[in-house]
Amino acid sequence: GAGVSQSPSNKVTEKGKDVELRCDPISGHTALYWYRQRLGQGLEFLIYFQGNSAPDKSGLPSDRFSAERTGESVSTLTIQRTQQEDSAVYLCASSNRDRVGDQTQYFGPGTRLLVL
Amino acid sequence: SQQGEEDPQALSIQEGENATMNCSYKTSINNLQWYRQNSGRGLVHLILIRSNEREKHSGRLRVTLDTSKKSSSLLITASRAADTTSYFCAPSNDYKLSFGAGTTVTVRA
Repeated sequence: GAGVSQSPSNKVTEKGKDVELRCDPISGHTALYWYRQRLGQGLEFLIYFQGNSAPDKSGLPSDRFSAERTGESVSTLTIQRTQQEDSAVYLCASSNRDRVGDQTQYFGPGTRLLVL
Repeated sequence: SQQGEEDPQALSIQEGENATMNCSYKTSINNLQWYRQNSGRGLVHLILIRSNEREKHSGRLRVTLDTSKKSSSLLITASRAADTTSYFCAPSNDYKLSFGAGTTVTVRA
């Protein structure tokens, strides 16, 4: 595709419910990243996938957060038992780390999550 | 990863003027990237400068990097209304990007 796409664009949920966010990276990009941006704050790294290597989950804030990626395609970020502090914009990015010297990350439009 | 701190937090300029914003960081880096937030909430990559580079240009953008002072600057020349948005720097040693709250630029007509 032309760029990174994410769905849904907006999600409103009740506290305690589970949510699943989806990211479609740019075709051929080997690396995929999830970030979170809370209102008025900077970007927090959540998780990184690179090819078939074990993902770097060091940024996940709690065990309620998990993410999966099948091969070099779609990724889903799941938040279980959502809390109000999970409200944020969740951004996905992809990059072609196989291309030497290219470290640019291309971001999707994000999913705005509101937990009531 | 480390977070860049952008300064100023907000900047208001007249159309046609130049806008300068700065970024400071704490530890050594491999590269530093500048992004802007687009209208769809996503982040758009503007420019990447490597630690062995001092200055880089891209269109109306000029980025400098001073590794001895652990700082970078982004200059937008001849600003336009479409430049109104938030700008973020991301100093990086690896694949993790971490942005601060950014500099919000408003270009007045």
